[in-house]
Amino acid sequence: DTEVTQTPKHLVMGMTNKKSLKCEQHMGHRAMYWYKQKAKKPPELMFVYSYEKLSINESVPSRFSPECPNSSLLNLHLHALQPEDSALYLCASSQAQSNQPQHFGDGTRLSIL
Amino acid sequence: AQSVTQLDSHVSVSEGTPVLLRCNYSSSYSPSLFWYVQHPNKGLQLLLKYTSAATLVKGINGFEAEFKKSETSFHLTKPSAHMSDAAEYFCVVSEVWAAGNKLTFGGGTRVLVKP
Repeated sequence: DTEVTQTPKHLVMGMTNKKSLKCEQHMGHRAMYWYKQKAKKPPELMFVYSYEKLSINESVPSRFSPECPNSSLLNLHLHALQPEDSALYLCASSQAQSNQPQHFGDGTRLSIL
Repeated sequence: AQSVTQLDSHVSVSEGTPVLLRCNYSSSYSPSLFWYVQHPNKGLQLLLKYTSAATLVKGINGFEAEFKKSETSFHLTKPSAHMSDAAEYFCVVSEVWAAGNKLTFGGGTRVLVKP
């Protein structure tokens, strides 16, 4: 069992739909991350939240909109996605300002029709 | 800037034989290094970590890694492979930021275990 929980596990959506990915952790971590992973590739960082504030946006298109409602939750709102956005989306958390490792969820497999 | 090179994109071993996954890194300061494993349709699971303590690091499931500063290497080994070890393995360098930490991933090594 992972300590970072992501829902849904799978999502299929059309290019005009709006959907959200959710991530939850109860380890008291104050840094949370969104990654995108394409098949046979390592994860690519998208966003970093630190103490519920957006700290890093790695030049991600605006059709991806992150949100951190509280210290345990992280959302990724999706709108008008493109077929190339189909991927595994991973959430992770860690202590802020620390070299301790990130803990990953099992991801959401997203398919864009 | 940091970088990580995993020297083998694929490794094939027989069950019960040793596993060696090679990793070289580049870092401008004393790094924190991790190995993660990813099974199909799963997230990344931490196998072990090096954070400037003992150079020989023991992890879960019988894996261990040795940090060699002179060779800038952090190779992962296991004495006897099990079928459940078939997965993708990532060597990772971590850099501490004010926001958290930034991970630089190697390209990954896919391990196949033959019965």
